[in-house]
Amino acid sequence: GAVVSQHPSRVICKSGTSVKIECRSLDFQATTMFWYRQFPKQSLMLMATSNEGSKATYEQGVEKDKFLINHASLTLSTLTVTSAHPEDSSFYICSAPRGGQTYGYTFGSGTRLTVV
Amino acid sequence: TQLLEQSPQFLSIQEGENLTVYCNSSSVFSSLQWYRQEPGEGPVLLVTVVTGGEVKKLKRLTFQFGDARKDSSLHITAAQPGDTGLYLCAGSSNAGGTSYGKLTFGQGTILTVHP
Repeated sequence: GAVVSQHPSRVICKSGTSVKIECRSLDFQATTMFWYRQFPKQSLMLMATSNEGSKATYEQGVEKDKFLINHASLTLSTLTVTSAHPEDSSFYICSAPRGGQTYGYTFGSGTRLTVV
Repeated sequence: TQLLEQSPQFLSIQEGENLTVYCNSSSVFSSLQWYRQEPGEGPVLLVTVVTGGEVKKLKRLTFQFGDARKDSSLHITAAQPGDTGLYLCAGSSNAGGTSYGKLTFGQGTILTVHP
C-alpha cells in the first residue's frame, strides 16, 4: 500500500517551454506532498512542500514563479517547470507521508527532465 | 537548520565483506529513516527507527538509532552485488504535532559491491 504514481518518467523538452509533472497517491490521501530535485550521484534537495488546498511552501533559493506547484486534491499534486532552460535538467521526485505511525514516506519513481 | 552528515560518500567493496554507513547530526530527530535508491528510480524505504537506542534488523541489514536520537548507522553483513545502490539516511522532526515533518537527507552513500 501507500503508492505514489509519478508521471512522466522521462521528458525531453525544448528550452523555453513548460513541463508538468504529476504525482498521484493511489491508495491513500496525501494532504502533503514534498517535491525534490536530485543531481546525478547526489542526495535529494527539497524544493517545496505542497499542501492540499493551500499555497506551497518553497525552500530558500527556489523560484516559486518558475516551479509552480498545485495541490488541488488529496490525491494529486503537480509541479510545472515554466520556461525551462538546460540548467533545469534534473531528476525530480515527489514524496508523501505514508500515514499511520510508521513515520515513513513513500516516493514517486521520479521524472528525468532534459531541456535541450 | 538541521544537518545530517552521512559517511562514507563512496564505498567499493568485494562480495562477502561487511560495511557500515553512518549518519550523524547535532540535532535531535523524532525519527530517522534509511532508504535505498537505484538509478532512475525513487528512493525505497528500508526502515524507520523512532526510539533512542533502537536496533532493527532486516535480513543482512542492521540499523541502529543513537540513544540521543541524533545519529544512526546501517550495517550490512556479507554484502552482495544486489546491495549495490545509493543509500540515504533521512531525519524527520514532527511539525506542529503531526506524525511527520520535512525530511532532512544525508549526502548519500554510493555502495558498489563487486562479485
